[in-house]
Amino acid sequence: DIQMTQSPSSLSASVGDRITITCRSSQIISSYLNWYQQRPGKAPKLLIYAASSLQSGVPSRFSGSGSGTDFTLTISGLQPEDFATYYCQQSYSVPRTFGRGTKVEIK
Amino acid sequence: QVQLQESGPGLVKASQTLSLTCTVSGGSISSGTFYWTWIRQPAGKGLEWIGRIFTTGDTNYNPSLKSRVTISVDTSKNQFSLKLTSVTAADTAVYYCARVNCGGGDCSFDYWGQGTLVTVSS
Repeated sequence: DIQMTQSPSSLSASVGDRITITCRSSQIISSYLNWYQQRPGKAPKLLIYAASSLQSGVPSRFSGSGSGTDFTLTISGLQPEDFATYYCQQSYSVPRTFGRGTKVEIK
Repeated sequence: QVQLQESGPGLVKASQTLSLTCTVSGGSISSGTFYWTWIRQPAGKGLEWIGRIFTTGDTNYNPSLKSRVTISVDTSKNQFSLKLTSVTAADTAVYYCARVNCGGGDCSFDYWGQGTLVTVSS
């Protein structure tokens, strides 16, 4: 199985901040990397697919980059609704695997 | 707008079989470059992919669960289902069904059900 390692596991930030979350895969996965947001008690929501493509309806303050084994999710100008947990997920091979999540909390 | 809804018992006794159904509305389960998947999340923990099914009936399962999992599809009802046998407390989780969209050069989970909590009791 491909292991997905996210960092940090949590971070505190303020409204308006720019934050970056990192995801590293245990083997090369090209650009087969997706990012999800999960608010408490809710299902995950797709934000970014294919490492850098913005899902329809997702605000442009979200962006993704990377390829190979190293990926980042950036939120430029945090909004109150962005405080949530974020997961990366590889779609290179089966079984699909997720990172353990990064919880973004209000400072 | 595609919607998915999980249904099934919220309480299952240990050693028995967990059975859930996902009903898809707002589109045909057979159309497009889509297939269908189950994912679970124990309370306070991360996401675990269980398996997927194509509308041809072909399946792939997580090796960690493969001996106990069956995913099936009923295109006439626009539903797909999950069966997990010999459950233990470790199978207690919120279970999500989701659509897998492979139309963007990648495969991502673009629509999710709201999730259903299944508790395994002793």
